[in-house]
Formats: sequence, C-alpha cells, structure tokens
Amino acid sequence: AQTVTQSQPEMSVQEAETVTLSCTYDTSESDYYLFWYKQPPSRQMILVIRQEAYKQQNATENRFSVNFQKAAKSFSLKISDSQLGDAAMYFCASASNFGNEKLTFGTGTRLTIIP
Amino acid sequence: ETGVTQTPRHLVMGMTNKKSLKCEQHLGHNAMYWYKQSAKKPLELMFVYNFKEQTENNSVPSRFSPECPNSSHLFLHLHTLQPEDSALYLCASSTRQGGGGDTDTQYFGPGTRLTVL
Repeated sequence: AQTVTQSQPEMSVQEAETVTLSCTYDTSESDYYLFWYKQPPSRQMILVIRQEAYKQQNATENRFSVNFQKAAKSFSLKISDSQLGDAAMYFCASASNFGNEKLTFGTGTRLTIIP
Repeated sequence: ETGVTQTPRHLVMGMTNKKSLKCEQHLGHNAMYWYKQSAKKPLELMFVYNFKEQTENNSVPSRFSPECPNSSHLFLHLHTLQPEDSALYLCASSTRQGGGGDTDTQYFGPGTRLTVL
C-alpha cells in the first residue's frame, strides 16, 4: 500500500517569489512514479510534473521543479517566479509501476499568490 | 484542456432519484477511471476500466454503478444515493493500465459537482 502526506494545508507566496510545497510518501514498491497535480478553481486537475523513481535527476518543467530525495521518501515541488495563475490546490500523488497505475493522492496544499 | 469532458458539471438530486454522470475522452486512451473528491480528504479511486473491462472496484457501494461501453466513454449510474455521497466526481484517462512498463499519466476531466439532498 502507498500513502502520501502533505503537511501544509495552506501556503502563500508573494508574486514573483519562490515557494516550495512539501510531500512525503511511503511505499513498499521498488519502482514507482510521483506526480504533482494542480487543481485551480475551475476544478480541472492538471498535471504539473512527474518523476520516475529510478531516475536520480530531478524533473523540471519550466518554472516548476522537484527535489526528489528517495532515501527520505520526500518529493517537494518548487515554483519559481510565482504568478497569479499559479494559485490553486496542489496535490502530490504516487503510483506503482507494477500491475496497475492507481494513483494515491495526498490531501493537498492550497497555494495563494499575493499580488 | 478539452481532452476529457464530463457532463453535467453540476447535479442536484434527491435520494430517490436515478441519474447518470458521463465522461468522454478524446485522447485515444484505453484506460478510464472514476474518482471521488470530498472536502478535506484525498481523492479516492472508485473504479478502473482497461480496454472496456473493469479491473478495479475499490469497495464502492452498489448504489454507484459504472458502465464503459467503449474506450472513449465512461458512465457512472447513480441511484438511491445518500447525502454523504455529495462530492466532486472526477473522471480520468490514460494510455494503458497494468502490465508493467512505464506508468502513463492520467488526464482528468473538470468533474461533476454532485449534491444529494
């Protein structure tokens, strides 16, 4: 079984600044994937970034990057140059690579951007 | 993003009603999913379909009945629901499910906000 924990229910950041959202997970699988999804007020769940656990290099996607610490089972999301459109709920999720790709989600972090 | 569409966007129903939620994906995927999103709780996987066959039923009450007539369409039939079933119901799709290899990303629809009176 997999569990995902997001310990920050809410975060805020000044526009153009950098913010880091925390996520820890637990899994007994040797191969798995980690994701960050964004859910704006429109409710559409949008993939932000994904990381394959077997890759040591941290994934990046434009202003979004992750700090993947496999031994610590930590997977934080860094948003650089925050923009008003980044305001949303952010969900961390994990999926096993064996047998199925069921996503296990955390409870989310609500990110507010201060103009 | 119009790859996965869901109708209706909002639904209010009484406990004795029967209604259906519809999901359609235009991405050529072959796996589809239903999730329930309640306030203050993580998303809960309800059902998974892979090539039209149900491969996962996450202990969902029988008052929720899924149907997948083809790889592009997924329905969730609702009957005799309870007020605690009020939630956002999200549909997702991916290119495949199961069998090893690279896990493919799930793409979500905008959801149906369901209120049970």
